[in-house]
Amino acid sequence: QVQLVESGGGVVQPGGSLRLSCAASGFTFSSYGMHWVRQAPGKGLEWVAFIRYDGSNKYYADSVKGRFTISRDNSKNTLYLQMNSLRAEDTAVYYCAKSPFDYWGQGTLVTVSS
Amino acid sequence: DIVMTQTPLSLSVTPGQPASISCKSSQSLLHSDGKTYLYWYLQKPGQSPQLLIYEVSNRFSGVPDRFSGSGSGTDFTLKISRVEAEDVGVYYCMQSIQLPRYSFGQGTKLEIK
Repeated sequence: QVQLVESGGGVVQPGGSLRLSCAASGFTFSSYGMHWVRQAPGKGLEWVAFIRYDGSNKYYADSVKGRFTISRDNSKNTLYLQMNSLRAEDTAVYYCAKSPFDYWGQGTLVTVSS
Repeated sequence: DIVMTQTPLSLSVTPGQPASISCKSSQSLLHSDGKTYLYWYLQKPGQSPQLLIYEVSNRFSGVPDRFSGSGSGTDFTLKISRVEAEDVGVYYCMQSIQLPRYSFGQGTKLEIK
């Protein structure tokens, strides 16, 4: 069965960096685009970034463009999100999701606080 | 950007009774490929979102047939024919026609009376 397991969340100071990972199994990872979606505490869902199956194209929400970088390693069945220049408003649970948003991981919490 | 507006924002339903959630988009979700990119998700308490309906009316694998989706263009509806206790949570609609500006509705919280 499809499994997506996020890791790498934690507490970081404003201006700091963090890299999230999403380990995929149960499907041919290299054949599917992948997304990151986040959810601030008590709030709704916000799409963050998308990468095509082969990494050829990457897309970002305006709120993270220039600060976050999505990438993937198809040899390791792993999706990444490099987050730089973090702000308090980036505090959220970050989910990875297989395109077309049919399977989601359990999420990893990122807290940006001094 | 496409704005997704859900109504109502909360719903209290007696078990066995029907429920309905509306989702309206600020632009048509009908793509030139003929598909309409409107999805419905349920986020149960403490869990990640789970796909219920894709492309307006297609139930995802394992989703009970008491869930149904309908609509076209900019107006969409999720219906639960007979609510059960396990249906509690927040329901979201989402559009994926506009890359890279995918967007979700605000969410509708369903509780059991």
